[in-house]
Amino acid sequence: AQKVTQAQTEISVVEKEDVTLDCVYETRDTTYYLFWYKQPPSGELVFLIRRNSFDEQNEISGRYSWNFQKSTSSFNFTITASQVVDSAVYFCALRAEGGYQKVTFGTGTKLQVIP
Amino acid sequence: DTEVTQTPKHLVMGMTNKKSLKCEQHMGHRAMYWYKQKAKKPPELMFVYSYEKLSINESVPSRFSPECPNSSLLNLHLHALQPEDSALYLCASSQAPGTRQDTIYFGEGSWLTVV
Repeated sequence: AQKVTQAQTEISVVEKEDVTLDCVYETRDTTYYLFWYKQPPSGELVFLIRRNSFDEQNEISGRYSWNFQKSTSSFNFTITASQVVDSAVYFCALRAEGGYQKVTFGTGTKLQVIP
Repeated sequence: DTEVTQTPKHLVMGMTNKKSLKCEQHMGHRAMYWYKQKAKKPPELMFVYSYEKLSINESVPSRFSPECPNSSLLNLHLHALQPEDSALYLCASSQAPGTRQDTIYFGEGSWLTVV
């Protein structure tokens, strides 16, 4: 069975602060794929990143960075110098290689950036 | 902008009505999905079409009937719904179902209210 835990239900930060969204996962598969999606109030789920279990390099994209640590089964997401447009619900998700097209989502973290 | 287009954006229907949600993608993806999302919850998988064939039905009630006329189109036919079926319905697609590089891309969703 797979499980994704996002312990932070809601986070509020003041604009320009850095914020880290935590994601912890459980899977018995040796090969798996981790994802982050952003869901603004409009409803669309926007794909942010995919990380393969066999690639432990961290990644940076502009103000976004991701820290993948297999040893602690975590895939944390950091936003640097947060902006109001970052306000959204962020979902971490997991797909096992044998899981065909089934993706397990975490419960989401609602981020509010206050101007 | 999303390349998965859903119509209508908002739908209000009575419990005796028949309506349809429509989804279109022009990315050449070979898998298409329907997800249901209730407020403050993660998306839940309903159906998956892979190469235009229904590959996954997550025990969805028969009042929801999916249809995949071709590789670019996906419909969800709705009949005799209940108020608890009110939710955001997300369509999604992915390029190569079952492969390592497969990533699911979502549309903007259709907000459904059953009265």
